[in-house]
Amino acid sequence: KQEVTQIPAALSVPEGENLVLNCSFTDSAIYNLQWFRQDPGKGLTSLLLIQSSQREQTSGRLNASLDKSSGRSTLYIAASQPGDSATYLCAVRRNQFYFGTGTSLTVIP
Amino acid sequence: EAGVTQSPTHLIKTRGQQVTLRCSPISGHTSVYWYQQALGLGLQFLLWYDEGEERNRGNFPPRFSGRQFPNYSSELNVNALELEDSALYLCASSPMGGGIAEAFFGQGTRLTVV
Repeated sequence: KQEVTQIPAALSVPEGENLVLNCSFTDSAIYNLQWFRQDPGKGLTSLLLIQSSQREQTSGRLNASLDKSSGRSTLYIAASQPGDSATYLCAVRRNQFYFGTGTSLTVIP
Repeated sequence: EAGVTQSPTHLIKTRGQQVTLRCSPISGHTSVYWYQQALGLGLQFLLWYDEGEERNRGNFPPRFSGRQFPNYSSELNVNALELEDSALYLCASSPMGGGIAEAFFGQGTRLTVV
């Protein structure tokens, strides 16, 4: 059974800092990996999608990498801002999504 | 273009009652996924519909059921509500089933069972 782990569970950084969120998964037979953002009590906002054949995707200040063979992905956030404060979830997909438990990020002004 | 829409946004039900939650996918999307997110817990997979058929279901009791209509909208039904069914119910849609396309989530329905 696919298991997805995210480290750290919580992270607090000062504004302007660059940071890395980690995601690992146990079964490399995936179609893609998607990073989401969730604000408290809200739905999920898609940030980046990486297909299983890709190594990296970028959108603005966000960069996500995927190493399928080792079962790892990272989300890099450059020049963090208070508005980035949210829970970040990674999900691997093969027929259904398997979610990690998320990293709660707080960016301090 | 409208995103995934869910209704209602909030509702309160009494234990033992039945509830129906609704999801309208993005136009052109044929796959709909339902997830439960209880307070402090991760997202738990409930159901996956594609092209009108149930393709997979998670480890939930049979009182959780649903369907997908010809226009690809979907309903999630929960019978005999229990207190632990209180959660945020999230729906997602994607252009094709199970595969490589990006999925988008709605804002969820917050269900409170009292």
